Amino acid sequence: AQTVTQSQPEMSVQEAETVTLSCTYDTSENNYYLFWYKQPPSRQMILVIRQEAYKQQNATENRFSVNFQKAAKSFSLKISDSQLGDTAMYFCAFMTETSGSRLTFGEGTQLTVNP
Amino acid sequence: GAGVSQSPRYKVAKRGQDVALRCDPISGHVSLFWYQQALGQGPEFLTYFQNEAQLDKSGLPSDRFFAERPEGSVSTLKIQRTQQEDSAVYLCASSLGAGDGYTFGSGTRLTVV
Repeated sequence: AQTVTQSQPEMSVQEAETVTLSCTYDTSENNYYLFWYKQPPSRQMILVIRQEAYKQQNATENRFSVNFQKAAKSFSLKISDSQLGDTAMYFCAFMTETSGSRLTFGEGTQLTVNP
Repeated sequence: GAGVSQSPRYKVAKRGQDVALRCDPISGHVSLFWYQQALGQGPEFLTYFQNEAQLDKSGLPSDRFFAERPEGSVSTLKIQRTQQEDSAVYLCASSLGAGDGYTFGSGTRLTVV
């Protein structure tokens, strides 16, 4: 079975500080894609960052970066210089080559950025 | 359109009613997906279309759930004889192809009373 685990239901951070959200996953496949999505109260899931498993280099998108540890099946998200607009639910997800483009999501981490 | 559009945004149904939820994907996006998101949980896969072909419907929870995309663009998710456990946000997403990040709509919140 393919599963995603986010062990932090809630986290908070002060504005301008750095926070790391953790994610672990389980799959027997070697080729897959990993994603972090943000879901604000508007409910729309917004893609934050993606990583191909065959790439060793960690993906970076402006203030967002990942720490991808393939052997440990870990995919954490680091948010630098946190902003009030980063307050949202964050979901880790992955997709394998054999899953037919199906995304498997974790339970989510509610991040609150405090002024 | 510029994004994925879903309607209605909110729907309240009496138990036993049939409902139809609409998704209008990004123009040109071949793949379309439906997900169900219960309160406080991550989205769960329901079904997947590539153009008009429904390639995977293994996530549909019962035969009361039915999805279609007859012309390869707009899709409708229909739930017959709604039950309380069907209450959830139903998310639609589209993508250009496998491995691309999806673009999600804002979802339809269905409440069955």
